[in-house]
Amino acid sequence: AQSVTQPDIHITVSEGASLELRCNYSYGATPYLFWYVQSPGQGLQLLLKYFSGDTLVQGIKGFEAEFKRSQSSFNLRKPSVHWSDAAEYFCAVGEKGYGGSQGNLIFGKGTKLSVKP
Amino acid sequence: DAGVIQSPRHEVTEMGQEVTLRCKPISGHDYLFWYRQTMMRGLELLIYFNNNVPIDDSGMPEDRFSAKMPNASFSTLKIQPSEPRDSAVYFCASSFRPPGSPLHFGNGTRLTVT
Repeated sequence: AQSVTQPDIHITVSEGASLELRCNYSYGATPYLFWYVQSPGQGLQLLLKYFSGDTLVQGIKGFEAEFKRSQSSFNLRKPSVHWSDAAEYFCAVGEKGYGGSQGNLIFGKGTKLSVKP
Repeated sequence: DAGVIQSPRHEVTEMGQEVTLRCKPISGHDYLFWYRQTMMRGLELLIYFNNNVPIDDSGMPEDRFSAKMPNASFSTLKIQPSEPRDSAVYFCASSFRPPGSPLHFGNGTRLTVT
């Protein structure tokens, strides 16, 4: 069965520091991978997605993520964190056929990011 | 584009009462999803629809939960009777055909059952 693991429940970084949020997935084939962000009291918003091709994908708000098949990872990065990035971040995996009878989007438990001034 | 609209934003009810959560998806989206978010279990898919037809309801926890989509612009999630363990934030999301299209989430309904 598919699964998504975000090993860090809570991370605190200083404003201006770099950020890397970890995501590991378990899936037999090449999955569709996503990162979403949730601000307090809000729904989730898509940051970026990977389907195929270039393993380094760019997203909104200066975020990027790299798909590493050998490590079953899809870590999210940002070179310089801003205070407004404080939120909860969710990694998700979808399978081909998603939307049909076979698939749905599996979310990790999330990583809460706090930013120190 | 108004986004996905959920109502109410907050609902407090007593155990045993019926609760109805409402969702208006983004116009033109043909997929609609209901998720539940709790601290313990994270974000769980309850059910999703394609063109108003339920495709997968395996995430619906038990018979007390039911969901309908009578037309392309409206869906409801009903809990009858409600129990304290149903307390959670319930999200509705819509999209064009996934996975090529991202999910667009509403702001959620925070349900508290006392």
